[in-house]
Amino acid sequence: EDQVTQSPEALRLQEGESSSLNCSYTVSGLRGLFWYRQDPGKGPEFLFTLYSAGEEKEKERLKATLTKKESFLHITAPKPEDSATYLCAVQEGRGSQGNLIFGKGTKLSVKP
Amino acid sequence: DAGVTQSPTHLIKTRGQQVTLRCSPKSGHDTVSWYQQALGQGPQFIFQYYEEEERQRGNFPDRFSGHQFPNYSSELNVNALLLGDSALYLCASTARPSYEQYFGPGTRLTVT
Repeated sequence: EDQVTQSPEALRLQEGESSSLNCSYTVSGLRGLFWYRQDPGKGPEFLFTLYSAGEEKEKERLKATLTKKESFLHITAPKPEDSATYLCAVQEGRGSQGNLIFGKGTKLSVKP
Repeated sequence: DAGVTQSPTHLIKTRGQQVTLRCSPKSGHDTVSWYQQALGQGPQFIFQYYEEEERQRGNFPDRFSGHQFPNYSSELNVNALLLGDSALYLCASTARPSYEQYFGPGTRLTVT
C-alpha cells in the first residue's frame, strides 16, 4: 500500500493565484517529513524538514505545515519560476539514518 | 561549499552489460544513499552506506551493489542490465545526526 500520497498529481495556476499541495502519509512513528523541489532532469532540491505536528516553516512564497496525518505546502502568489515538481518524503522512526519514502510528486505549472 | 556531485551525467548501455556510477558527498557529510527514479515517479531507495558498510537496503535485487571509500565517496554498480533499469539514479548525502538528505544532479542511465 502507498505510504506517501500526494495530491493533486498536477496543478496549473495563474501567476498570483495561491494554492496548496497535499501530502498524506501512513508510517509507524514519523521521524521527519521532507519537502523537495525538482526541476526536469535534475536532482531534488531540499526545501523543508518538519518533525512534529503543528510545526510550520516558511521560505519566500512557500510555507509548509504538518499534522499527524498530512502535510501541506502552501504557495502564496506564485510566479512562473515556481513551476516544478514538488516531492514529499517521510522518514520512519526506526533504524539509524533511515531511508526516505517518497510520494510521486505534484507537478506545478504557473502561467504568466 | 561544493554540493553533492555525480558522474557521469548521462550513460547509454546495452542489455546485459554492467555499469558503475559515482558520487561525491557534500563537504562534511559521511553518509551516502542511492535512489532510482523512473520517469513520472518519486525516487525509490536502493541502499545507504555509512563507515564503508551497507547499513540499509531497499527492495532491489542483488544485481545492484555498492561501495563506499574512506573519503566517503561512493559507487553504485548494476550488473546484467535490463531495459527496466533505465532511470535517473540519484545520490544523496547527509551528516550525522542530521537527517536532511541533499541530492546530487543525478545520472541518467538508458539501457537499449
